[in-house]
This record gives sequence, C-alpha cells and structure tokens, in this order.
Amino acid sequence: GAVVSQHPSRVICKSGTSVKIECRSLDFQATTMFWYRQFPKQSLMLMATSNEGSKATYEQGVEKDKFLINHASLTLSTLTVTSAHPEDSSFYICSARDRVVTEAFFGQGTRLTVV
Amino acid sequence: DQQVKQNSPSLSVQEGRISILNCDYTNSMFDYFLWYKKYPAEGPTFLISISSIKDKNEDGRFTVFLNKSAKHLSLHIVPSQPGDSAVYFCAARWFSGTYKYIFGTGTRLKVLA
Repeated sequence: GAVVSQHPSRVICKSGTSVKIECRSLDFQATTMFWYRQFPKQSLMLMATSNEGSKATYEQGVEKDKFLINHASLTLSTLTVTSAHPEDSSFYICSARDRVVTEAFFGQGTRLTVV
Repeated sequence: DQQVKQNSPSLSVQEGRISILNCDYTNSMFDYFLWYKKYPAEGPTFLISISSIKDKNEDGRFTVFLNKSAKHLSLHIVPSQPGDSAVYFCAARWFSGTYKYIFGTGTRLKVLA
C-alpha cells in the first residue's frame, strides 16, 4: 500500500505552547488529507478534512482556531495545536488518499502529551 | 450519533479457527466499507474493502460480507493466526462535499496459540 509518514511520533510540550505535526504522502499525491484524534480505548474521531490548496473543513465541535490545518502541497499537510492544554493530550493520526483509490492510508500517529 | 458501530469490544479465538468481526451502520449513503487493523501507538493499516453494490469480497484469509438490507458487514479471518491479534476498525466512506471516512469503535481480537 501507499506510504504516509507522520512526524513526530511523540512530543511533550508545556501548556500554552504550540505544536506542529507533519503528515507526508511519500509515493502518491494526496489530494485529500484527514486528521483524526483517538482517545484511549475509543474510536478514531475525524477532526477535519483538507483538500490541497483549499481551507480545511472541520467537524462539528472541533475548534478551527485551536487546530490549524494547512494542506499547501499534494504531499504535505500540517496540524498545529495552538496554545496547547493538558486536555489536548491525545493520539493524533493523519491519513491521505489520492483521486483514484478507495482506501485512505494512515500515518504512524503522534502521541501528544501536554504538561 | 454513532453511524458505524462495532458492538463487540473484544473477541478471543483459538489459532486456526475462524474469527468473525461484526459492524453495523445507519447511513445508507455510505458507498464503501473498509476494515483496518491497528496496533497500539501506530496508525491503522488497511486490510480490505467492499463496495456498497457488492455482497462479498475476498483477499487471502480475509473475507468481508455486506448485508445491505440489514446494514451489517462482517470480516472473516480464516484460519486465524496469533499475528492477527490487534484492534480491528470498521470504517465507512461517504461523500459530503469530499470523501470522508467514519470509523467504528473497534474490536480487539486476541488469537490464542
């Protein structure tokens, strides 16, 4: 399957700081990228969907000013958690698909811990 | 409102036997259903998918069955192997301005040697 690389895999930051997570499609053009959040023993909750060159579409209840998503190229999307608080601690996962295939491919995930 | 549901949080199966993971959905607009396998602290790995116009898709040890009238799908793994032990997520795709994927809550499969 296609490869999606997510970086960093783990990050610990202080409360009030911002953290950027990168998601890259390595061998295909990701026309659409998705950002998910997973709480312990729960499902993957879709946060937002972004198409290359367009503003991200956020799901209900997700603060767009807090979770900034940029999808500037066909191979890169970034999620910036601004002014992070301990309740933002979670596992964040990106996924990507191109125009052709049915399935979305996932990155390795980022474990964010805000202290 | 959970549109994709996996009612069994866990399942244990003996090695060599069949594993059956179930998933129910409520939205008739889903056009594809997918199964992903996930290990802790990793992203999900795609396993198999099925179009909403089909009722069966098979790939090696994995077969997915779709019953549209019951809004139910299942993943069969046979024979089950210890390496299959993971959390399995059912996902559904639908178009709402762009394609989106919605996931169930997952079923933890443990294959006993």
